[in-house]
Amino acid sequence: DLVMTQTPLSLSVTPGQPASISCKSSQSLLRSDGETYLYWYLQKPGQSPQLLIYEVSNRFSGVPDRFSGSGSGTDFTLKIDRVEAEDVGVYYCMQSVHLHTFGQGTRLEIK
Amino acid sequence: EVQLVESGGGLVQPGGSLRLSCAASGFTFSSYWMYWVRQAAGKGLVWVSRVNGDGSSTAYADFVKGRLTISRDNAKNTLYLQMNSLRAEDTAIYYCAKDLIEWGQGTLVTVSS
Repeated sequence: DLVMTQTPLSLSVTPGQPASISCKSSQSLLRSDGETYLYWYLQKPGQSPQLLIYEVSNRFSGVPDRFSGSGSGTDFTLKIDRVEAEDVGVYYCMQSVHLHTFGQGTRLEIK
Repeated sequence: EVQLVESGGGLVQPGGSLRLSCAASGFTFSSYWMYWVRQAAGKGLVWVSRVNGDGSSTAYADFVKGRLTISRDNAKNTLYLQMNSLRAEDTAIYYCAKDLIEWGQGTLVTVSS
């Protein structure tokens, strides 16, 4: 089974400072069509998940440009340039190459 | 505006059945893959099932083991999840999602005696 492993599982960040979350897949997420189907979501407290990044590095509509995604193959990273209070919640990576699998989630809190 | 409204959750005894519904509006329902994702209290997101636009192609997570069936009625703009032989570990909020982009607010399923 494909496993998605996120690190760290939690982080505490001072507003205005950067944050980074790693997501590693047990299998390559590069599909035969040349695309890599890796997504990032944020679930704010008490809310449904919201899509941040699709296909590794594309910001979804309305997502602030302080969010960026990168990576290839099995290693991926979500970066927040300058964390704001509204960024609090749990971040999930998800793959859609081999059906769908979410990472365990990374809880971000504000210091 | 895309709206997805889940219903049908509730308390059911182990071994029982429930049918979840997801009423969709604000988009051409039949043109999109639809998904069910669940989340146990305090836990992470788990993909459950998906169905293509005309309902001819479905897929399930391994743990479903034939107990859950996804379907859709495009005339009614509604997605379903028939849940049979329910177990305590099926207790979760069940979200429907359009293309795993837009998500509903979820419906809570509690399996307990």
